[in-house]
Amino acid sequence: GEDVEQSLFLSVREGDSSVINCTYTDSSSTYLYWYKQEPGAGLQLLTYIFSNMDMKQDQRLTVLLNKKDKHLSLRIADTQTGDSAIYFCAETPQTGSYIPTFGRGTSLIVHP
Amino acid sequence: NAGVTQTPKFQVLKTGQSMTLQCAQDMNHEYMSWYRQDPGMGLRLIHYSVGAGITDQGEVPNGYNVSRSTTEDFPLRLLSAAPSQTSVYFCASSPGHSEAFFGQGTRLTVV
Repeated sequence: GEDVEQSLFLSVREGDSSVINCTYTDSSSTYLYWYKQEPGAGLQLLTYIFSNMDMKQDQRLTVLLNKKDKHLSLRIADTQTGDSAIYFCAETPQTGSYIPTFGRGTSLIVHP
Repeated sequence: NAGVTQTPKFQVLKTGQSMTLQCAQDMNHEYMSWYRQDPGMGLRLIHYSVGAGITDQGEVPNGYNVSRSTTEDFPLRLLSAAPSQTSVYFCASSPGHSEAFFGQGTRLTVV
């Protein structure tokens, strides 16, 4: 079955870049996503990438996809205290239910 | 736009009680799902639906029932609450291969 793995914690200094990593096992994944969860709230989509892409950039966010290694990363440039949150990697399969499978989430802590 | 609405936001149950967590979406999405979130465990899929009248089990379905009689509503029933069901529950909907929209969550404590 599908499995999505992430490290649980990341601590960075304000102004530095943050890189959150994710690995997945389902080679048929078509869409890969990054969601953000702020305290006491639901998840909100940050960005996504199609499996036929290697990179996607959206303002401070850069997503890199290595299909051979099934590795996805999210880079946040100039990290701010408002970026402190839990970041979830997710994937949906090419066929079937289209219901996303999520990783355990990475808690990003940004300190001054 | 209401999006995905979950009720209640907070609930305390005694062991053995039953209850229904409500979820409604106004975006005409076919796909709806229920997850539970526990510390260090991420989001685990309980049940999901790919359209009205069609439901299926996820990773952790035991102790929960669902039904989907309309496109808009996807309630989650706890049959006999247990302390292990203390968690935060999220409902989500999507039109398919696209962004999933989440409710604000229901924080359930079973004592």
